[in-house]
Amino acid sequence: DTAVSQTPKYLVTQMGNDKSIKCEQNLGHDTMYWYKQDSKKFLKIMFSYNNKELIINETVPNRFSPKSPDKAHLNLHINSLELGDSAVYFCASSQEQGVTYEQYFGPGTRLTVT
Amino acid sequence: DAKTTQPNSMESNEEEPVHLPCNHSTISGTDYIHWYRQLPSQGPEYVIHGLTSNVNNRMASLAIAEDRKSSTLILHRATLRDAAVYYCILRDFSNTGKLIFGQGTTLQVKP
Repeated sequence: DTAVSQTPKYLVTQMGNDKSIKCEQNLGHDTMYWYKQDSKKFLKIMFSYNNKELIINETVPNRFSPKSPDKAHLNLHINSLELGDSAVYFCASSQEQGVTYEQYFGPGTRLTVT
Repeated sequence: DAKTTQPNSMESNEEEPVHLPCNHSTISGTDYIHWYRQLPSQGPEYVIHGLTSNVNNRMASLAIAEDRKSSTLILHRATLRDAAVYYCILRDFSNTGKLIFGQGTTLQVKP
């Protein structure tokens, strides 16, 4: 039973295309996140949703639009893909957004923009 | 957000204890100390967290200095599977739950 799953695992696309990454958690958590890990391996928060409401938007370009249809899903749609968007994107969830709650991460989606 | 400092890399022998240090001299009274690790080609994984007292769980122990300006993650018997990047992260009540990752410590475990 995968707690946090992401699809697809790999995504190769050309500049200018629009793509989506899907995330689902079966832990019954209220809070979900998207993180980006760049080529230098730095992990950075992008977005956070709590009960389907946006909590964190870390100055991410508006080409990135998260969508949470329900508490168990947080999808990431990216318009007009650029070379710099190539990275590994991780979805995570936690029971609540408080500091004592651990976050569970998905396996990541490796996005390559050519 | 308070900053943490960790060594870039450490080595250990299999089945020996490993002590991973973290300095956080600007820690505030409400900052929790969290440790996550990232195994190769996987997402980060929660290890342990604490506020003031030392903590133990099935994965590791966390030793927190009395002044809280440093902490040490202890793996009691390193295995090859423990080779990963270990991140020491401070979280306070105002940070809306986000994790702020630094460069972490890359742990190599030799057989």
